[in-house]
Amino acid sequence: GQQLNQSPQSMFIQEGEDVSMNCTSSSIFNTWLWYKQDPGEGPVLLIALYKAGELTSNGRLTAQFGITRKDSFLNISASIPSDVGIYFCAGRGSGGGADGLTFGKGTHLIIQP
Amino acid sequence: GAVVSQHPSWVICKSGTSVKIECRSLDFQATTMFWYRQFPKQSLMLMATSNEGSKATYEQGVEKDKFLINHASLTLSTLTVTSAHPEDSSFYICSAREWTITDTQYFGPGTRLTVL
Repeated sequence: GQQLNQSPQSMFIQEGEDVSMNCTSSSIFNTWLWYKQDPGEGPVLLIALYKAGELTSNGRLTAQFGITRKDSFLNISASIPSDVGIYFCAGRGSGGGADGLTFGKGTHLIIQP
Repeated sequence: GAVVSQHPSWVICKSGTSVKIECRSLDFQATTMFWYRQFPKQSLMLMATSNEGSKATYEQGVEKDKFLINHASLTLSTLTVTSAHPEDSSFYICSAREWTITDTQYFGPGTRLTVL
């Protein structure tokens, strides 16, 4: 099946620093999604990307859909304590919304005040 | 908008019993819902795709007779774990497809299942 490689696995940063994480795939995805999951809760959608090359922002978050459709990155600027959590990338194939998502293994973000 | 609820939020049961988990889309209709499973410190793994009014589609390796899925209405899908065993203990998360505006998936808060 399809697999996503997400890196880094974890990040220890100081409050105020910028954060960057990415996902790569051996196969093409038509949609890239970025979610944040807090402990014991379901994932919350941060950004959805639908076109190759698309660059989308949501507040301090910016994500891009790679030109090859095999990768995506998420940047967080000026991190704050509430950014702590696990961030997952997810890809969706050619079936569109009828397809389930393939998730990366997650990036655990830890912020030191 | 696009709120998905799950019930119960956690459940503890004895080995051999069956447990039903409900997933509801509260403010939109969802012809398609998905069930995922997440083990501690791991990612979400798709178990099955649930379509309203038809049989669910299961991912490879997921036993359809063990994980019964019913999607009887446009706002409700249920997952029943039959004859649960300790290895079925996990965090079960559903999502619903919102297709009129964003065509993306919104997730429920998850159900923590512990089988003794």
